Amino acid sequence: AQSVTQLDSQVPVFEEAPVELRCNYSSSVSVYLFWYVQYPNQGLQLLLKYLSGSTLVKGINGFEAEFNKSQTSFHLRKPSVHISDTAEYFCAVSRNTGGFKTIFGAGTRLFVKA
Amino acid sequence: KAGVTQTPRYLIKTRGQQVTLSCSPISGHRSVSWYQQTPGQGLQFLFEYFSETQRNKGNFPGRFSGRQFSNSRSEMNVSTLELGDSALYLCASSLAGPENTEAFFGQGTRLTVV
Repeated sequence: AQSVTQLDSQVPVFEEAPVELRCNYSSSVSVYLFWYVQYPNQGLQLLLKYLSGSTLVKGINGFEAEFNKSQTSFHLRKPSVHISDTAEYFCAVSRNTGGFKTIFGAGTRLFVKA
Repeated sequence: KAGVTQTPRYLIKTRGQQVTLSCSPISGHRSVSWYQQTPGQGLQFLFEYFSETQRNKGNFPGRFSGRQFSNSRSEMNVSTLELGDSALYLCASSLAGPENTEAFFGQGTRLTVV
């Protein structure tokens, strides 16, 4: 079975500073990895995904993530955050085995301060 | 292209009642998944339907059930509501092929049980 651990429940950061949101996963088979963002009272929106190929994945809104198979990590980064990046971020893992089932981490609340 | 539509957006029910939530996936998507989101438990997978068949199921009691119609629209039913069922219920749709692993989420139905 797969599982996802987001190591920080909250990350406060000043505007224009860099940020890294950490995510580790466990799985005995190959997986697909995702980062989603959730704004207040909204559903989840996909930021980026890793399916295969290059381990550095670029997503929307200037975010990127690096897949590290040896460390089973998929950390999300942004070089300079904006106030509008304040939201909840979820790391997720999925394995399509004839059924679509995505397992989410507990979420990291990013709070960008002016 | 219209997104995933969930109705209603907000719902208040009394303990012991039952409730039905609806989800219309993106046109052409055949997989619909349901999640329960609460502050304490995060995003918990309920079940996934594909072509009117339940393919995956999470660890929820039998009070939680669902179905999918031939047009891929899905409904989720919760019977004998408990206070702990208060949550944001999110629906996600996907093409569900091995190369199409992204889930698109609706805005959710916020259920309050009093």
